[in-house]
Amino acid sequence: QKEVEQDPGPLSVPEGAIVSLNCTYSNSAFQYFMWYRQYSRKGPELLMYTYSSGNKEDGRFTAQVDKSSKYISLFIRDSQPSDSATYLCAMSARGFQKLVFGTGTRLLVSP
Amino acid sequence: EAGVTQFPSHSVIEKGQTVTLRCDPISGHDNLYWYRRVMGKEIKFLLHFVKESKQDESGMPNNRFLAERTGGTYSTLKVQPAELEDSGVYFCASSHNFRGSYEQYFGPGTRLTVT
Repeated sequence: QKEVEQDPGPLSVPEGAIVSLNCTYSNSAFQYFMWYRQYSRKGPELLMYTYSSGNKEDGRFTAQVDKSSKYISLFIRDSQPSDSATYLCAMSARGFQKLVFGTGTRLLVSP
Repeated sequence: EAGVTQFPSHSVIEKGQTVTLRCDPISGHDNLYWYRRVMGKEIKFLLHFVKESKQDESGMPNNRFLAERTGGTYSTLKVQPAELEDSGVYFCASSHNFRGSYEQYFGPGTRLTVT
């Protein structure tokens, strides 16, 4: 069983929709959670970083962590065609330690 | 501020040959990480440097892989001899060494194809 599970998609939504992306994990030691966006043939770009449980908002993006359920989410409001990319969740047990990644969810936003 | 850079962007070599990948982290970042993504799989950790010291090399697949970070600046990852299963995208990431600043920033990756 993988430590981090993420639906590979693709997830197709119309422009303007609210997008919900999720990951579940099995290691209760994970405390640091990151969301990356990756365009084709590019490196992962850090979108959001959260520590422990709770919510964090940055512009159109909101990250949620529910440690009791071992479940994290990324919400994208007013989605745009330029949001079409693969979204990767990643997490670690301690700061500066290795990240454990999900496989990524491919998002397609149609005009 | 310049991001993480990697060279080359793409390398095609034959089985048994040697390849060296290079990573230049963001200036001032003491932490440097190597990751790899093979086709169809998730990105996986290879190793972690703090300055010039190897902090964690638990992800290195075997002794055909050698990573160095002389002087605590750029890093190289050598694969010798390369095997078919080494094909994939090799990413480098870096982060500060400040408590509370744990974000890892990734480079564009080196796509390695072993034929």
